[in-house]
Amino acid sequence: NAGVMQNPRHLVRRRGQEARLRCSPMKGHSHVYWYRQLPEEGLKFMVYLQKENIIDESGMPKERFSAEFPKEGPSILRIQQVVRGDSAAYFCASSQLAGRPYEQYFGPGTRLTVT
Amino acid sequence: TQLLEQSPQFLSIQEGENLTVYCNSSSVFSSLQWYRQEPGEGPVLLVTVVTGGEVKKLKRLTFQFGDARKDSSLHITAAQPGDTGLYLCAGQFYFGTGTSLTVIP
Repeated sequence: NAGVMQNPRHLVRRRGQEARLRCSPMKGHSHVYWYRQLPEEGLKFMVYLQKENIIDESGMPKERFSAEFPKEGPSILRIQQVVRGDSAAYFCASSQLAGRPYEQYFGPGTRLTVT
Repeated sequence: TQLLEQSPQFLSIQEGENLTVYCNSSSVFSSLQWYRQEPGEGPVLLVTVVTGGEVKKLKRLTFQFGDARKDSSLHITAAQPGDTGLYLCAGQFYFGTGTSLTVIP
């Protein structure tokens, strides 16, 4: 399967715990994007990363949220001290280095439920 | 933030009918993408439009980019139940509000 992979697909956390969401981009893609989608709402941009660099984090909440895309391994979206309002579907997308960077290929998402 | 507004928000039609979905913005985009999302899945890229006035066809789907590159439309001819889904336009990192289409057999 050469598509974007996300895991876990479903994640349940109690308030105050940490959530770690993983994303492996498509082979050959070096740009990764994270989005959040609430029920009945569109996709909200969170952060754009390249290997070892955060390019744009203008959509990322200032506290408790962080993202990384290390030289080796998947991209990680980390949410510390989760609250009920963090419950949502989190999608990762990737795109190629050259050509049309805004043509994004999405993973299946991680559905986070905070109890 | 560059806002992309889509209309209508919801659309329910009979199989075989035609429909048009609109995506409008006050900002100019170098390109716009259209995606379709099914429940429980991530969006799937349908097309990219780049040039003002450009028209692209994908089987029964016709996409148009406005001359000023601020708006786009998606026209579906003879809709089928398999077309049911959430249609999203996007420019850079900004996604539209979405149009939820239901095609009734």
